[in-house]
Amino acid sequence: NAGVTQTPKFQVLKTGQSMTLQCAQDMNHNSMYWYRQDPGMGLRLIYYSASEGTTDKGEVPNGYNVSRLNKREFSLRLESAAPSQTSVYFCASIIIEESSYEQYFGPGTRLTVT
Amino acid sequence: AQSVTQLDSHVSVSEGTPVLLRCNYSSSYSPSLFWYVQHPNKGLQLLLKYTSAATLVKGINGFEAEFKKSETSFHLTKPSAHMSDAAEYFCVVTFEDSGYSTLTFGKGTMLLVSP
Repeated sequence: NAGVTQTPKFQVLKTGQSMTLQCAQDMNHNSMYWYRQDPGMGLRLIYYSASEGTTDKGEVPNGYNVSRLNKREFSLRLESAAPSQTSVYFCASIIIEESSYEQYFGPGTRLTVT
Repeated sequence: AQSVTQLDSHVSVSEGTPVLLRCNYSSSYSPSLFWYVQHPNKGLQLLLKYTSAATLVKGINGFEAEFKKSETSFHLTKPSAHMSDAAEYFCVVTFEDSGYSTLTFGKGTMLLVSP
C-alpha cells in the first residue's frame, strides 16, 4: 500500500514548455485533488475530481488542465508553462465516510519555470 | 464566504515553553477542522482533526486543539516546545455544505523554536 504517489519529484521547465504531473493512489478513494503551495499562501486548490469521470475547478485553475484517467490516477497538465506556475504541487485523495474523514497527501512535485 | 484565518504568520518560542497557534474560521455550516505540520522541504503530516466528536482533540507529538463553536476557533497548543517542533503549521477546514469534499487551507504559521 503505497498511499499517494507523485511523479516527478522535481522538474525544471522553460517558459512555454508543457508537461504532465502524474498522481496515483492505491486506496480506492473516490475523490482526488491537485493543490499548489506558494510561500505565505498555504495550499490552494487547482482542480479536483469527486469521482471517476468528473472534474471541477478549484480556486486557481487558470493555466492547468486535469484528467481523471481512472479511479486510481489523476493527472495535472501545464500546456504552456509560465514562471508564475513555479510552485510545489501536491496531489491528495480523500475518503469521506459517515463517521470518518481521511485525507492523504502525496510527497509533492517541485516545479521551476524559467 | 467561508474562510480560515491563521492569526500569526510567525510564532517564536523558547524550547520548553508553551506553544499557541491560533486559527479562526468563518462559516455558518458545520465544519471539520484539521491541523497539519510541514517540516522544511517535506510533505504534509496530519497532527489532529476535529469531526464533531469531542471538542478537545489530542494529536501526535503532544499537540492538542480545542474546537470552540461560539468563538469559531480551533487553536493548536502544546505545553512544552521541542526543537523538533520548528516547522510550518496549517489550519485546514472543510464544510458540510460542500459535502466535506473540498478543503480550505490557512496561509500557515511558521513556528520558530530557540534553545
